[in-house]
Amino acid sequence: AQSVAQPEDQVNVAEGNPLTVKCTYSVSGNPYLFWYVQYPNRGLQFLLKYITGDNLVKGSYGFEAEFNKSQTSFHLKKPSALVSDSALYFCAVRDFLNDYKLSFGAGTTVTVRA
Amino acid sequence: DTGVSQDPRHKITKRGQNVTFRCDPISEHNRLYWYRQTLGQGPEFLTYFQNEAQLEKSRLLSDRFSAERPKGSFSTLEIQRTEQGDSAMYLCASSRGQGDGYTFGSGTRLTVV
Repeated sequence: AQSVAQPEDQVNVAEGNPLTVKCTYSVSGNPYLFWYVQYPNRGLQFLLKYITGDNLVKGSYGFEAEFNKSQTSFHLKKPSALVSDSALYFCAVRDFLNDYKLSFGAGTTVTVRA
Repeated sequence: DTGVSQDPRHKITKRGQNVTFRCDPISEHNRLYWYRQTLGQGPEFLTYFQNEAQLEKSRLLSDRFSAERPKGSFSTLEIQRTEQGDSAMYLCASSRGQGDGYTFGSGTRLTVV
């Protein structure tokens, strides 16, 4: 079975500071990994994905994520956070065999203070 | 707008009533998914269509739930005899295929009173 853990319910940072949102995963075989962001009363917006290749993946709005196979992690990062980055962030995984079903973490609420 | 559309955005219904939600995926996407999201949780997989074929249903999808995707285009999700525990955000997503990320709709928020 595939699963995702987001160990922090909330992350608070000051604007301009680096932002990291943590994610670890469990999957059979090679993982497909995704980050999504959700604003209040909205659906999820795709940020970035890792399928294969370079372990550092760049995505939308200046976000990037680093795939670490040995630590089974896929942490989301942004070098300089903006107030507008305040939202709910979800990490998700699916494995190569069940390539249709995404399993999501419980989400991390990011608050960026001015 | 070429995104995923869901209708209605909000639905309030009395316990015991039937409700139906609609999802219009991105036209060139052959895969369509339904997820349910409750407060404080990540989305949970409900079911998946490839074209018109429903290929998997989660155990979360009880007998009161049914989904269809006639002609492989739009999809409907019906809940019969609604219960208060059905209150949630119902999300639809579509994708082209293996390796693709999903594109989500804005969701239908169901409140059962």
